[in-house]
Amino acid sequence: DAGVTQSPTHLIKTRGQQVTLRCSPISGHKSVSWYQQVLGQGPQFIFQYYEKEERGRGNFPDRFSARQFPNYSSELNVNALLLGDSALYLCASSLGQVYQETQYFGPGTRLLVL
Amino acid sequence: GDSVTQMEGPVTLSEEAFLTINCTYTATGYPSLFWYVQYPGEGLQLLLKATKADDKGSNKGFEATYRKETTSFHLEKGSVQVSDSAVYFCALSRSPFRTGGGADGLTFGKGTHLIIQP
Repeated sequence: DAGVTQSPTHLIKTRGQQVTLRCSPISGHKSVSWYQQVLGQGPQFIFQYYEKEERGRGNFPDRFSARQFPNYSSELNVNALLLGDSALYLCASSLGQVYQETQYFGPGTRLLVL
Repeated sequence: GDSVTQMEGPVTLSEEAFLTINCTYTATGYPSLFWYVQYPGEGLQLLLKATKADDKGSNKGFEATYRKETTSFHLEKGSVQVSDSAVYFCALSRSPFRTGGGADGLTFGKGTHLIIQP
């Protein structure tokens, strides 16, 4: 079975632009979470979606938004990009909600903001 | 809020040495605890987990015991190999039984870079 897939793998944007990142969960998984990993740090939680509804949000500004589609894939949108948004963006899927569940991570999208 | 603290790296050991990577946490309620590993050029993978106090998670020779009295989840391995070189992350997930309810994602530590020399 395919694991979690993310696209694109790499992305270069300039300040002020908008970006959309995509994630396909493992087949049968209904929960998708997004994380931001800055170089040298642990991942920071951005959003969790379960059954197409937002179930959790981390401490990120409103420039960050996400949605989950009927097939459980997900998009993360970031508006008005800042230099500090440069990071590896990770998507993770799980069967149910996060507590006690194993989350399976994708390879990530590396975003560079110039 | 919830937080995870793990020992700073890099940690450099010789092959076959004993490994301990310390992890302590702060959380309300009864979190689940995880160790994830990130090998060079690869994504995050679950190494082991424990979902209640005194549980021991184990995988690939690694072990960690959920100690609620000391709020710790230290990672250990009796004899490390060069192939264990990676970044190790301790993480917790918030209990839905805490005040306020809701579901959140994992809270990670900053990671410990482990280097095993032949």
